[in-house]
Amino acid sequence: EIVLTQAPATLSLSPGERATLSCRASQSVTSYYLSWYQQKPGQAPRLLIYAASTRATGIPARFSGSGSGTDFTLTVSSLQPEDFAVYYCQQDYSSVSFGQGTKLEIK
Amino acid sequence: QVQLVQSGAEVKKPGSSVKVSCKASGGNFRNFVLTWVRQAPGQGLEWMGGINAMFGTANYAQKFQGRVTITADEYTSTVYMELSSLSSADTAMYYCAKSYCTGGSCPFDNWGQGTPVTVSS
Repeated sequence: EIVLTQAPATLSLSPGERATLSCRASQSVTSYYLSWYQQKPGQAPRLLIYAASTRATGIPARFSGSGSGTDFTLTVSSLQPEDFAVYYCQQDYSSVSFGQGTKLEIK
Repeated sequence: QVQLVQSGAEVKKPGSSVKVSCKASGGNFRNFVLTWVRQAPGQGLEWMGGINAMFGTANYAQKFQGRVTITADEYTSTVYMELSSLSSADTAMYYCAKSYCTGGSCPFDNWGQGTPVTVSS
């Protein structure tokens, strides 16, 4: 089973700042199989990024993804108030697994 | 736009089973790959398994093998998840999700609203 480890567990930033979230896989994951989700309290997750760097439909351009092999990054270029949420990475290269999440909170 | 509507909240006794449904609308159900993901209170997301609605073939996370069954009814565009031998550790929100399959990857691009399942004596 591929284990995804996200860092940091919590990230405290202010609106307008840049957020960088990390996802590290226990073994190499073809970038095509790495996705990112956003989840707000009381809501279902929402797909943000798939194939490591492709934004899903309707996702603002301030969200971007990058990486390959075992190291992947989600970047939010300029945080908006609605971006404060929990973010999960997910792979389906070998079975399916999620990272444990990064909580992005307002500083 | 595909919409997934799940059945309502469930309260179950330990040792019993629960069956949650997820009805799809707005697309061609036979082309769907549908998945179940659960989330325990305050915890992260956990993949349980999925089904290809066209072929009716399901695959399951190793953790749930033998305890979960996922089925699809193309006539009602509904997918079901049945989990048996429930314990308090199964108390969670259960989500169905549709995959957008591109190449070999199938990220989850549509989600149901979630069904809370509580297991308590």
